[in-house]
Amino acid sequence: QKEVEQNSGPLSVPEGAIASLNCTYSDRGSQSFFWYRQYSGKSPELIMSIYSNGDKEDGRFTAQLNKASQYVSLLIRDSQPSDSATYLCAVKGGGGADGLTFGKGTHLIIQP
Amino acid sequence: DTEVTQTPKHLVMGMTNKKSLKCEQHMGHRAMYWYKQKAKKPPELMFVYSYEKLSINESVPSRFSPECPNSSLLNLHLHALQPEDSALYLCASSWIYVPGQGAGEQYFGPGTRLTVT
Repeated sequence: QKEVEQNSGPLSVPEGAIASLNCTYSDRGSQSFFWYRQYSGKSPELIMSIYSNGDKEDGRFTAQLNKASQYVSLLIRDSQPSDSATYLCAVKGGGGADGLTFGKGTHLIIQP
Repeated sequence: DTEVTQTPKHLVMGMTNKKSLKCEQHMGHRAMYWYKQKAKKPPELMFVYSYEKLSINESVPSRFSPECPNSSLLNLHLHALQPEDSALYLCASSWIYVPGQGAGEQYFGPGTRLTVT
């Protein structure tokens, strides 16, 4: 059974600092990795996807993938109060239509 | 445009009612999904449609019945639900396969918040 593990938090970070969110997964066959942001009462919003080892940067966000260690992370630079949300790590197997397996999410709080 | 729409936004139904949830996307995606999310829990996969055919059913009770009338539309028919079925029901869509990426990114609609009384 595929498992995705995240620290549920809350993770409290001062405004302007770097927030670091971590995720591990159990299925070595996983090929696609995603980070979603979910505000309370809203649906998940895709913020990053990563498919190969290394770093991928998009604005203030950097996703990091290490398939050998089965580890995915998300860095948020210059954290803003609007970044306060639950961040969901999601993993998917090979190509094709397949559902996402989500971690339980990390609740991030950016302190002004 | 990465928009997935869902109707209704909110639904209250009794245990003997029959209702339907609707989802629509116009991104040309050929995979569509239903997820269920309980409060403070992650989304859980219910159904996957690939090219309008049901490809994955994650052992969901028969009181939930999916339908994919065409490549843009996805319905979830509800009948004889239980109070524990109250949750946020999320629709998502994606490309089947993207060269160089593998599985396509899934985009979620705003969800239907369902309350069963």
